[in-house]
Formats: sequence, C-alpha cells, structure tokens
Amino acid sequence: AQRVTQPEKLLSVFKGAPVELKCNYSYSGSPELFWYVQYSRQRLQLLLRHISRESIKGFTADLNKGETSFHLKKPFAQEEDSAMYYCAPLNSGGSNYKLTFGKGTLLTVNP
Amino acid sequence: EPEVTQTPSHQVTQMGQEVILRCVPISNHLYFYWYRQILGQKVEFLVSFYNNEISEKSEIFDDQFSVERPDGSNFTLKIRSTKLEDSAMYFCASSEGGRSYNSPLHFGNGTRLTVT
Repeated sequence: AQRVTQPEKLLSVFKGAPVELKCNYSYSGSPELFWYVQYSRQRLQLLLRHISRESIKGFTADLNKGETSFHLKKPFAQEEDSAMYYCAPLNSGGSNYKLTFGKGTLLTVNP
Repeated sequence: EPEVTQTPSHQVTQMGQEVILRCVPISNHLYFYWYRQILGQKVEFLVSFYNNEISEKSEIFDDQFSVERPDGSNFTLKIRSTKLEDSAMYFCASSEGGRSYNSPLHFGNGTRLTVT
C-alpha cells in the first residue's frame, strides 16, 4: 500500500511569500497522488491530482519520482490559503479503492 | 454542484448507547466511504462500500461498527455500543467509481460525535 509522509505539522508564512508543503511517498508501482484541503469549518475538498498537472488557486504539485516527492507549491501565498492540507495516495486493487491521508500540514498565512 | 450531505452535524450520546450517522452520497456515485478524525489527529480510513457490500475495512472498524445502504440513497454508519474513544469527527465520502483519475472522493461536512 502507498504511504505518504508530511514532515511539517505546522507551516507559517507571510502573505506574498512562496510556500511549499512537503509530501514524500513510498510506493509499489505507479503512484497516484492527490492533495486535499480543509478550510476552517469546511469539508475536505480535492485541490489537485498529480495526473492532471493542473494549477488550482495558484497551487501546483509536481511528481518527482527520483525524490519520491509530491510537494505542493504556490509562489505567492494569500491569507485565504490558510487551511489544513493533506497529501493522499490512492490505494487500489480489485474493488478496493481508497485514499489514505497523511497527517496533514496546517498552513497559516499571516498578513 | 452536487454534494455529499451528512446528518446530524453534531451528535452527543452516552457511553454504551447506539448511534447511527447518516449520509446521502452523490446520486451517481458507486463507491462509499467512512473516515474519522479524532481531534488533533489525522483523517483515518474506516470502511469502503461498493456493490452493496464492504470492500475494505480498517482495523478500527471492529464488530461494534456496521454500515448499511438501506434504500439506495442513504449510507449509514452504526456504532453499536459507543465508547469514549469513539468521539471524533466522522466523514462520509463518495466516488463515481474505481481506479480512475477522474474519480476523486467527495466528502461531506462531517458529523461530530461526542460520547460522554
């Protein structure tokens, strides 16, 4: 099963500063990875999936197979980015299909 | 945009009582999940449900837990005899289907269960 490590429990930056939330994975086979975000008092929401190589709310995440990482980055953080961020690998096999969440990183963007 | 809905938002119960947490997944979704999050800890997988049966469950999901899809729209989590350590936020999620990059999990707002 795939596992992820999010080494930072808390991350605090100032508005306008670059931000990088780290995620390292272990995998057997091709990794399938997602970033989910949970704003205060809101539900978990999908932010990014690695396959789509998209940019959502200014965030990007590149899969680095050499470093087994899937770090989430944004060049200029905004106060509204303050939230809990979870890196999550997809574990699947047969009819089993589930996300396993990392411990999460609480991002605080200060004015 | 369709959403997963959960009721109640907050449930308080006494130790030893049975509770049922309810979820209405998104209507065309085929995979259903329960996760929980104890205060200050990570989101943990409990159980997945597909084709009217449990497809996977975690070690947490012991005999005190059960899930049901009684009427084709609701998806419930029952805890038979609650313990203090069951106090947590319980999230329901659903997915359109299978091993597909276009099938992320969609989560409900959660039910906060407090066992006293």
